[in-house]
Amino acid sequence: KAGVTQTPRYLIKTRGQQVTLSCSPISGHRSVSWYQQTPGQGLQFLFEYFSETQRNKGNFPGRFSGRQFSNSRSEMNVSTLELGDSALYLCASSLVTSGTTTDTQYFGPGTRLTVL
Amino acid sequence: KNQVEQSPQSLIILEGKNCTLQCNYTVSPFSNLRWYKQDTGRGPVSLTIMTFSENTKSNGRYTATLDADTKQSSLHITASQLSDSASYICVVSPMFSGGYNKLIFGAGTRLAVHP
Repeated sequence: KAGVTQTPRYLIKTRGQQVTLSCSPISGHRSVSWYQQTPGQGLQFLFEYFSETQRNKGNFPGRFSGRQFSNSRSEMNVSTLELGDSALYLCASSLVTSGTTTDTQYFGPGTRLTVL
Repeated sequence: KNQVEQSPQSLIILEGKNCTLQCNYTVSPFSNLRWYKQDTGRGPVSLTIMTFSENTKSNGRYTATLDADTKQSSLHITASQLSDSASYICVVSPMFSGGYNKLIFGAGTRLAVHP
């Protein structure tokens, strides 16, 4: 079974630009979550989508947005890029989502975004 | 204050030795606690998942323990190998987060195994 794929793997943008990252979950998985990872802050939760609906959102500004399509693929968009947005953006998929499940999350390799 | 704190920040051990990584958390109540391994430049991989009622969970040479009274977890690595060099991240899922994927991550422990 193919794993979680993310495209592109590397991206260089300049301040003020916008960027769209893509994530394809494992076949059959309906939940997709996005995370930002920086050396100073570690992994931080951005948002989670399930069946095309955003179920949870972390503490990030409105410049960060996402969506999920009917085939469970998800995209994340960052508008008006800032230097501090430079990070590894990770996507993770799982079968279902609920408050107490121990369903395993599978992470993709990430997209390394550099903002100049 | 971080709700999930890990120690040490980094660790160097010799191949074949054992080591223990610590995780202290304040998240309460919580649904489950996970340990992930993250190789450089790659996404995290799940090692163990424990619910609040479990005390220990093993995955090969990795054994995680949980003490809900003291709010501490540890990850013990036995007979370390060079491939164990990675960051190990402790993650706690709050009980009433409205969706389990609202996870709280520790900063990780960077382990280097030397020959």
